[in-house]
Amino acid sequence: EAGVVQSPRYKIIEKKQPVAFWCNPISGHNTLYWYRQNLGQGPELLIRYENEEAVDDSQLPKDRFSAERLKGVDSTLKIQPAELGDSAVYLCASSPASQETQYFGPGTRLLVL
Amino acid sequence: QKEVEQDPGPLSVPEGAIVSLNCTYSNSAFQYFMWYRQYSRKGPELLMYTYSSGNKEDGRFTAQVDKSSKYISLFIRDSQPSDSATYLCAMNSIGNQGGKLIFGQGTELSVKP
Repeated sequence: EAGVVQSPRYKIIEKKQPVAFWCNPISGHNTLYWYRQNLGQGPELLIRYENEEAVDDSQLPKDRFSAERLKGVDSTLKIQPAELGDSAVYLCASSPASQETQYFGPGTRLLVL
Repeated sequence: QKEVEQDPGPLSVPEGAIVSLNCTYSNSAFQYFMWYRQYSRKGPELLMYTYSSGNKEDGRFTAQVDKSSKYISLFIRDSQPSDSATYLCAMNSIGNQGGKLIFGQGTELSVKP
């Protein structure tokens, strides 16, 4: 069974540029999460989807971050404009339902110069 | 004060040693406790999952939860160089927090041959 797929794996951009990350969850998983992991820290939740609905986006910086999960499968996380402090690893995870085990993708490593 | 505290290490042990990794937490609503292992440049993968208090054993790994002390532990017996990774504790509560995992900072472990 394929795991969570994320692309790109690495991205280097200059500040004020836009960037987008894509996630394909495990087939059949209704719940999708985006986390941000700063260097030397644990992941922190940005947004959680139940199917197409964002049920927890309280930690998403809405002035520059946006996310969507069309048709309740793939998801895209966007930053516009990027700031130096956005340099981090962006992890996508999925689970069959919200109370079940979360499976993480390999992450997208973002460097903002 | 963070909700979950974890000593970042690094922790270096010889092959075959018993390793003890620990986390403390402040939120008494936490009911589900997990240990994730994260290899360099990879996403976290679930190692152990415990509900409420008690012990759980899986091969060389034992997870302990002491809710009265708000303290959880992961023990690794007969440690191997392949165990070298960052170990993240994570926890969440039931109810409206749903699947939001709160992670510790992670402990970097190195097992020397």
